[in-house]
Amino acid sequence: DAGVIQSPRHEVTEMGQEVTLRCKLISGHNSLFWYRQTMMRGLELLIYFNNNVPIDDSGMPEDRFSAKMPNASFSTLKIQPSEPRDSAVYFCASSFSRDGLFFGSGTQLSVL
Amino acid sequence: AQSVTQLDSQVPVFEEAPVELRCNYSSSVSVYLFWYVQYPNQGLQLLLKYLSGSTLVKGINGFEAEFNKSQTSFHLRKPSVHISDTAEYFCAVILNTGGFKTIFGAGTRLFVKA
Repeated sequence: DAGVIQSPRHEVTEMGQEVTLRCKLISGHNSLFWYRQTMMRGLELLIYFNNNVPIDDSGMPEDRFSAKMPNASFSTLKIQPSEPRDSAVYFCASSFSRDGLFFGSGTQLSVL
Repeated sequence: AQSVTQLDSQVPVFEEAPVELRCNYSSSVSVYLFWYVQYPNQGLQLLLKYLSGSTLVKGINGFEAEFNKSQTSFHLRKPSVHISDTAEYFCAVILNTGGFKTIFGAGTRLFVKA
């Protein structure tokens, strides 16, 4: 298995633009997590899904952020409109039960 | 509220010396415990985990950790570190409430010097 695949690896955009981050889970995993990492705030859980259903989205900063899981192997995180304070590394991770998380390589987002 | 505290933000150590990275958690329910490592420009990788059974768990790269329920700790140790162990290390917990929400500590930067 190729592991968790995130795209794009880097994204540079201007304030106000829509940004879509993508994640492909490891086959057989049934939980999907989106995290954001910054120097100031560390690793923050934004949202997680279990069996394609959003379980906890309390970490989503505001309505500008939305996440979907249209099928068991794919997820998107959308920011619209983007703002400079959204600049961070966004990770997705998948897991099966409590075996531990498998992380993607992350998307480095820069909003100018 | 549940939380994970990593007591040291940075730990400098000489090569071949032993190291301990400290982690304490706060929870009103039982937990599952994990350590992850993050190398520069990469995602986190699972080092080891405690789910049940023996309180001493061994992981990859020669690391081990011990679960201490009375002290609510899960410290990570390695008897002899290498330059290549330089990385950020994160302690994490999953609450035993039926879900899989994983809460991370702030991380400890291990810097191994020659």
